Amino acid sequence: GDSVTQMEGPVTLSEEAFLTINCTYTATGYPSLFWYVQYPGEGLQLLLKATKADDKGSNKGFEATYRKETTSFHLEKGSVQVSDSAVYFCALSDRPGGYQKVTFGTGTKLQVIP
Amino acid sequence: NAGVTQTPKFQVLKTGQSMTLQCAQDMNHNSMYWYRQDPGMGLRLIYYSASEGTTDKGEVPNGYNVSRLNKREFSLRLESAAPSQTSVYFCASSGGTPTQYFGPGTRLTVL
Repeated sequence: GDSVTQMEGPVTLSEEAFLTINCTYTATGYPSLFWYVQYPGEGLQLLLKATKADDKGSNKGFEATYRKETTSFHLEKGSVQVSDSAVYFCALSDRPGGYQKVTFGTGTKLQVIP
Repeated sequence: NAGVTQTPKFQVLKTGQSMTLQCAQDMNHNSMYWYRQDPGMGLRLIYYSASEGTTDKGEVPNGYNVSRLNKREFSLRLESAAPSQTSVYFCASSGGTPTQYFGPGTRLTVL
């Protein structure tokens, strides 16, 4: 079945540091890939997505590129801020429409210190 | 738009008690989901409703029941709560694209 593996946290960085959170996946078809973010005490919200190979999703300074050859979708940001402290979930969906089964990774907690 | 709303935000139950978690969405989405979130385990799907009038089991359905009351509302019921059901519960919806929209969650403690 489908699965998502992401690096374990927590990840602690100083403000303005470079961020990478690794994510790899296993899927039988051509899934869509997502990064969701969960701020403390809140639900998950979509951060960015990519629907086909070599697509780059981007939002709020975060980027991730859909790499089919390495089955990866690593999240990057050039300069993190304290406000980026949150839990980040990598996810995939293998159905193009209708009911959308989404498989989530276990989440990576990011803490940014001033 | 309120998006996805959930009630209550917090709940404490004693073992054996029952309760219903409520969820509503105002985005005219066909599909709705219930997840639980536990430390180190990410989100696990409990039940989903692909469209109004249908419900199906997800990954961890035991001990739960659901009702898709109408297109907007999808409730989750615990008939006899157990300490293993202590968790944070999230409702989500989607409307024909892979993106899911989440509610703020219900933090449930079963003593």
